[in-house]
Amino acid sequence: SAVISQKPSRDICQRGTSLTIQCQVDSQVTMMFWYRQQPGQSLTLIATANQGSEATYESGFVIDKFPISRPNLTFSTLTVSNMSPEDSSIYLCSVNLLGLAGGLSYNEQFFGPGTRLTVL
Amino acid sequence: RKEVEQDPGPFNVPEGATVAFNCTYSNSASQSFFWYRQDCRKEPKLLMSVYSSGNEDGRFTAQLNRASQYISLLIRDSKLSDSATYLCVVNILTGGFKTIFGAGTRLFVKA
Repeated sequence: SAVISQKPSRDICQRGTSLTIQCQVDSQVTMMFWYRQQPGQSLTLIATANQGSEATYESGFVIDKFPISRPNLTFSTLTVSNMSPEDSSIYLCSVNLLGLAGGLSYNEQFFGPGTRLTVL
Repeated sequence: RKEVEQDPGPFNVPEGATVAFNCTYSNSASQSFFWYRQDCRKEPKLLMSVYSSGNEDGRFTAQLNRASQYISLLIRDSKLSDSATYLCVVNILTGGFKTIFGAGTRLFVKA
């Protein structure tokens, strides 16, 4: 399994400011994922953070708005830049572990506890 | 059309009831399938993987129908603690690995 922590757990910010969210994993992983979940909605993938290379962004998300750092195999940050009220959401960091156990392959995605962001 | 579609509910059932959730997916390149559970104000956590032959874990049974691109989750003898949102999740492998989450089905189990 993977244990993921995120900081801050919540924040209330003024529009036009930026917030950086930190994600720490207790094991080394190649890819870390950043999701957004708006109230009552599904999780939407923002980007995949690869160690040693640029992050890969999904359609509708751009690096200028959501810059990502991935300095090592256990840590990543997501910045929400020039915030507006539409950015109010829960931001979740995630990793995917693949492996074998008892002769069966497994594939499980683990999530951090999320950062609840409110932009006024 | 959404890649993964679920009935959002809510499903309101009494304790002890049997409840079934359905999910359809649109991408035929979908390779693996899961049900996740998300409690209010918490992160999603894996409930169970869904195998082609169907699989059971205690009171939970998952079924997959690849021909119809349909996944189901059956909960027997519902407990109050089963109240949560159940997310249907699909992994797609087309030139890369991608995970798609359904919007979730809300379940309320009442005494």
